Amino acid sequence: GAGVSQSPSNKVTEKGKDVELRCDPISGHTALYWYRQSLGQGLEFLIYFQGNSAPDKSGLPSDRFSAERTGGSVSTLTIQRTQQEDSAVYLCASSLTGVGRNTEAFFGQGTRLTVV
Amino acid sequence: QKEVEQNSGPLSVPEGAIASLNCTYSDRGSQSFFWYRQYSGKSPELIMFIYSNGDKEDGRFTAQLNKASQYVSLLIRDSQPSDSATYLCAVKVGNFNKFYFGSGTKLNVKP
Repeated sequence: GAGVSQSPSNKVTEKGKDVELRCDPISGHTALYWYRQSLGQGLEFLIYFQGNSAPDKSGLPSDRFSAERTGGSVSTLTIQRTQQEDSAVYLCASSLTGVGRNTEAFFGQGTRLTVV
Repeated sequence: QKEVEQNSGPLSVPEGAIASLNCTYSDRGSQSFFWYRQYSGKSPELIMFIYSNGDKEDGRFTAQLNKASQYVSLLIRDSQPSDSATYLCAVKVGNFNKFYFGSGTKLNVKP
């Protein structure tokens, strides 16, 4: 697609339920990133994929969080047994590999997760 | 120590003034530097990219990079109320292809 697409845009779930958030990166982008942003706060890094592997998952806050990427494309972030503190906007970004020109991260519109 | 440090602000400037936003980074292996703008309730969008020491100008925006001092700055000339947003500094370290984002500086441009 033309940009990074995330679904759903909004998700309200009950405490204790599992949720899946989806990210469809820009075609050809090998790097994919998940961030979390609470209201009025900065970006909190969660996990980074290079292809289908995740060389850095250091930002996942607990073992309730997991992510996978298949076919070097779509990624799914799963949160099990959701808690109220998981409420935030979850942002996905993708980029080309490398550090030169045109390797910036492009962000999706985010998924606003509300745990009630 | 965070990889990328920014003053959270808010930075308030009058319309028409120059806004100066600063960022320092800790990893000397950082090779690419980015400034993103994020409006409230929206996703970050890229406004400037720089990878060589010195200045890079694009319209009213100038990015400045000093690798020896490990800082990167963004100047916004003739600031407009529409420039009011949070500005995020990001660096990319070559070996890891990972973006490190600062926490952002909130800019308010007063009419």
